[in-house]
Amino acid sequence: AQSVAQPEDQVNVAEGNPLTVKCTYSVSGNPYLFWYVQYPNRGLQFLLKYITGDNLVKGSYGFEAEFNKSQTSFHLKKPSALVSDSALYFCAVWGTYKYIFGTGTRLKVLA
Amino acid sequence: GAVVSQHPSWVICKSGTSVKIECRSLDFQATTMFWYRQFPKQSLMLMATSNEGSKATYEQGVEKDKFLINHASLTLSTLTVTSAHPEDSSFYICSARASEGTPIYEQYFGPGTRLTVT
Repeated sequence: AQSVAQPEDQVNVAEGNPLTVKCTYSVSGNPYLFWYVQYPNRGLQFLLKYITGDNLVKGSYGFEAEFNKSQTSFHLKKPSALVSDSALYFCAVWGTYKYIFGTGTRLKVLA
Repeated sequence: GAVVSQHPSWVICKSGTSVKIECRSLDFQATTMFWYRQFPKQSLMLMATSNEGSKATYEQGVEKDKFLINHASLTLSTLTVTSAHPEDSSFYICSARASEGTPIYEQYFGPGTRLTVT
């Protein structure tokens, strides 16, 4: 069965520090992987995706993610966190014909 | 970029009544729209896929007669929760496929509708 796991409900990081939001996946075949961000009362916004190519994917707002096939992971990273990055982050894999979302990780960046 | 809106953003209704949620693509035509349900501290679950002018395709376990989906135009899909009960209280999110020629995973998401059934 296809699945996505986000092991941390919440991640706290100080402003200016690097941040990592973890994601692991389980799919058959080559995965199509995504990160979305959800701000309060706003729709999901696309951050980045991995389909094929370089394992390090760069996305919006300075975020990047590294695809690691051996560890089946797709962790989201940013070198220097901003208070405005505080939001709910979803990792997702494209399944047979639909998105399989993780449970989300709330990122809190402390000033 | 493309914008998807939902109306209302929140709604409270009494048990047994029906409520309609609208999903609109504001600056593009969406032949395919999707409806998701998000439970607290849980992931988004796809409820159904709707294609303009045809019947929606529901995911296994989703009651077709309770969650009526109509995609009557290229910019509007509606979700009607019929005979709502407290367990239907949730956050409902729609998305729209970017365009017919793009991969189906390229979707724009609406801001969601919070439904509370009392």
